[in-house]
Amino acid sequence: KAGVTQTPRYLIKTRGQQVTLSCSPISGHRSVSWYQQTPGQGLQFLFEYFSETQRNKGNFPGRFSGRQFSNSRSEMNVSTLELGDSALYLCASSLHNANTGELFFGEGSRLTVL
Amino acid sequence: GIQVEQSPPDLILQEGANSTLRCNFSDSVNNLQWFHQNPWGQLINLFYIPSGTKQNGRLSATTVATERYSLLYISSSQTTDSGVYFCAATETSGSRLTFGEGTQLTVNP
Repeated sequence: KAGVTQTPRYLIKTRGQQVTLSCSPISGHRSVSWYQQTPGQGLQFLFEYFSETQRNKGNFPGRFSGRQFSNSRSEMNVSTLELGDSALYLCASSLHNANTGELFFGEGSRLTVL
Repeated sequence: GIQVEQSPPDLILQEGANSTLRCNFSDSVNNLQWFHQNPWGQLINLFYIPSGTKQNGRLSATTVATERYSLLYISSSQTTDSGVYFCAATETSGSRLTFGEGTQLTVNP
């Protein structure tokens, strides 16, 4: 059974650009969550999607957005990139919902903003 | 939201030693997990343990939900155990995992 797949694994952008990251959950999993990891702030929750609906959102500006498709794949988008957006972005999938189930993480997308 | 605190922040061991990592959480939780972050950044699931005790090889974990703490035991440590260990929990009314700041474990040969 394939794990959580994130693409791209590494990317470099410049300030002001936008970026789209993709996450394919474990087959059959309906919940996808996104987290940002930086050395200064640690691991922080971005948002969770379940059956194409955003169920929960973290304390990030509106430049951070996401969506989930009918096949449970999810994308997150960051517009008008800032240097501080450089981070490891991790996606997690869960069978039912993230509140009561075990979460499984992908390998992450490492974003560098120059 | 809940607070998750891990201790110690850093731990240096000689190969073969045993260790205990602690995770305290501020409120009742539904979901408590322990992860090991590998050098490439992936969070590897160690235990899903909202309560009780589980064992997997040289690792075991115990969560005492009523006292709001969880412990991760590593026995006969190996150099490959090095890395950052995270505890994370979900509060009963939410769906976000709140992570502790991690324990950086270094196992020397």
